[in-house]
Amino acid sequence: DTEVTQTPKHLVMGMTNKKSLKCEQHMGHRAMYWYKQKAKKPPELMFVYSYEKLSINESVPSRFSPECPNSSLLNLHLHALQPEDSALYLCASSPGQGMSEQYFGPGTRLTVT
Amino acid sequence: GENVEQHPSTLSVQEGDSAVIKCTYSDSASNYFPWYKQELGKRPQLIIDIRSNVGEKKDQRIAVTLNKTAKHFSLHITETQPEDSAVYFCAAHSSASKIIFGSGTRLSIRP
Repeated sequence: DTEVTQTPKHLVMGMTNKKSLKCEQHMGHRAMYWYKQKAKKPPELMFVYSYEKLSINESVPSRFSPECPNSSLLNLHLHALQPEDSALYLCASSPGQGMSEQYFGPGTRLTVT
Repeated sequence: GENVEQHPSTLSVQEGDSAVIKCTYSDSASNYFPWYKQELGKRPQLIIDIRSNVGEKKDQRIAVTLNKTAKHFSLHITETQPEDSAVYFCAAHSSASKIIFGSGTRLSIRP
């Protein structure tokens, strides 16, 4: 299995909702990432888990909360989001700690109403 | 802060001609430089990459060159085909948690 999968594909949520995005890979990769991509913009790195340890990007608001239950799974918990958080959320994985090829999932298109 | 500048933002070339996209990075600790192709509505996909101990790498019609002294790297696509039309992103990695993408180049291939 050489794919990164993400669920759901689309998500519409209100500003008071709590939802979670899920990502899974079975390639034995030890690093997993969350990116945010707005339309016509490049992906922006939000969080990195490397060997199940979290590296935090200090510019990411606390309404985004990552979780890595095991080396194959990565979640992004969402709470009290704002309309400007609407974007494509991409998950990626790589064999090692960042200096190697990243495999991206298809993304979750999130709309906050 | 650290950044990656990418040029041009849009590029239109005749089918069969070559396309060149250039990126400049600011973090001298950067040591891995991938290029991604992203088609509309799809995920970014790696097309070629280069590490800082290498000056040039080629894979069929695609090549990447790296000038560490000048802190710039370039993507070269030869014999362009309609399926090369997409948005291309460069990126620079300087640590496990420091990955910066360029702003992207929209490449269009004219038949």
